[in-house]
Amino acid sequence: DAGVIQSPRHEVTEMGQEVTLRCKPISGHDYLFWYRQTMMRGLELLIYFNNNVPIDDSGMPEDRFSAKMPNASFSTLKIQPSEPRDSAVYFCASSGRDRSQETQYFGPGTRLLVL
Amino acid sequence: AQSVTQLDSQVPVFEEAPVELRCNYSSSVSVYLFWYVQYPNQGLQLLLKYLSGSTLVKGINGFEAEFNKSQTSFHLRKPSVHISDTAEYFCAVRVRNSGGSNYKLTFGKGTLLTVNP
Repeated sequence: DAGVIQSPRHEVTEMGQEVTLRCKPISGHDYLFWYRQTMMRGLELLIYFNNNVPIDDSGMPEDRFSAKMPNASFSTLKIQPSEPRDSAVYFCASSGRDRSQETQYFGPGTRLLVL
Repeated sequence: AQSVTQLDSQVPVFEEAPVELRCNYSSSVSVYLFWYVQYPNQGLQLLLKYLSGSTLVKGINGFEAEFNKSQTSFHLRKPSVHISDTAEYFCAVRVRNSGGSNYKLTFGKGTLLTVNP
């Protein structure tokens, strides 16, 4: 199994630009989570999906952030327009339907730097 | 709402010494508890989890943790650490699910374990 796949691994952009982060969950998993990690705030859950439907987006910081899951094998997190304070590592994680649903499997992360 | 407190932000130890990383949680309902490890420039990897049953949980790489309900703690231990255990360790809590749909994990701020030769 390839695990959770995220792209790009690194992104450097200028303030005001649109940023799109991508995630492919583990095949067969029906939960997908987006997290943000910063030194100041630690790991924060932004949003999670079940069967492609957003369940809880209370962690999304503001309207500049949006997330979609058009099918079971793909999700995007978009920031438009980006700001320097959005600089962070963004992780995607997935979990499955059986006992493994208690375990979230994390991708390698996307390191975002907004200049 | 749940919260997790990791009392030590950094723990330096010498190789082959024992280590304990402390974690306390607060919750008004029953919870599941987890420890994750993050190696430099990598994602998080599950070390161990407590769901039910025995309060002493064994995980990968020789780590174990003990759930103490009265003290609301879930401390992580290893009797003898290696250089390769140098990483950041995160404690996390999730509401025990009885058929609902709350799968949110709440993480502590992390403890950086540095193992020196």
